[in-house]
Amino acid sequence: QSVLTQPPSASGTPGQRVTISCSGSSSNIGSNTVNWYQQLPGTAPKLLIYSNNQRPSGVPDRFSGSKSGTSASLAISGLQSEDEADYYCAAWDDSLNGHWVFGGGTKLTVL
Amino acid sequence: EVQLVESGGGLVQPGGSLRLSCAASGFTFSSYWMSWVRQAPGKGLEWVANIKQDGSEKYYVDSVKGRFTISRDNAKNSLYLQMNSLRAEDTAVYYCARDRRTFTVYYFDYWGQGTLVTVSS
Repeated sequence: QSVLTQPPSASGTPGQRVTISCSGSSSNIGSNTVNWYQQLPGTAPKLLIYSNNQRPSGVPDRFSGSKSGTSASLAISGLQSEDEADYYCAAWDDSLNGHWVFGGGTKLTVL
Repeated sequence: EVQLVESGGGLVQPGGSLRLSCAASGFTFSSYWMSWVRQAPGKGLEWVANIKQDGSEKYYVDSVKGRFTISRDNAKNSLYLQMNSLRAEDTAVYYCARDRRTFTVYYFDYWGQGTLVTVSS
């Protein structure tokens, strides 16, 4: 059972906009910034969004993030076939001397 | 170019030990926190441990406390994970990640390719 809660799956057709939610608590998302990682099949995770809504260099602006209270979301607009991947949210948790927590991951399927 | 290259994975029997290494290049290793993150087959990501720039602070997930030890050698630009008393549930791909911390903004900005640890008899 992951500390952060994500839907296990999401889907959309090319060109559509999809959103993935991430729910936490006051000790993690409520207190700290949220990051999103993309993991393409058979590869290592890659930073997609950091500090709630910041995109690292090279990440298309089709990807956006937001946070409100103890929840966050990742939005992907203009969905493309290469976006088919697993997506994970993560945040630092201030409880128990501090530790990282992840969501269980959302498998995005492009129909 | 930032590079993180893990090594040391393999097959080990339950109760056994293994030492993972992560060779860092392309950045000033001694200026960053570093973490180990693992992923069991077909499962999600789980943070394992992290270590401060000078090694003075180390944190672990509860499930590995007392069994795993994270360490670093800044002179060799290397991160390590000593894993003892291994269990079947430790079977996973282990990733080394740069644990970037800027004021109150924390994130893993670079990841290695991972090394597979299999605990089985």
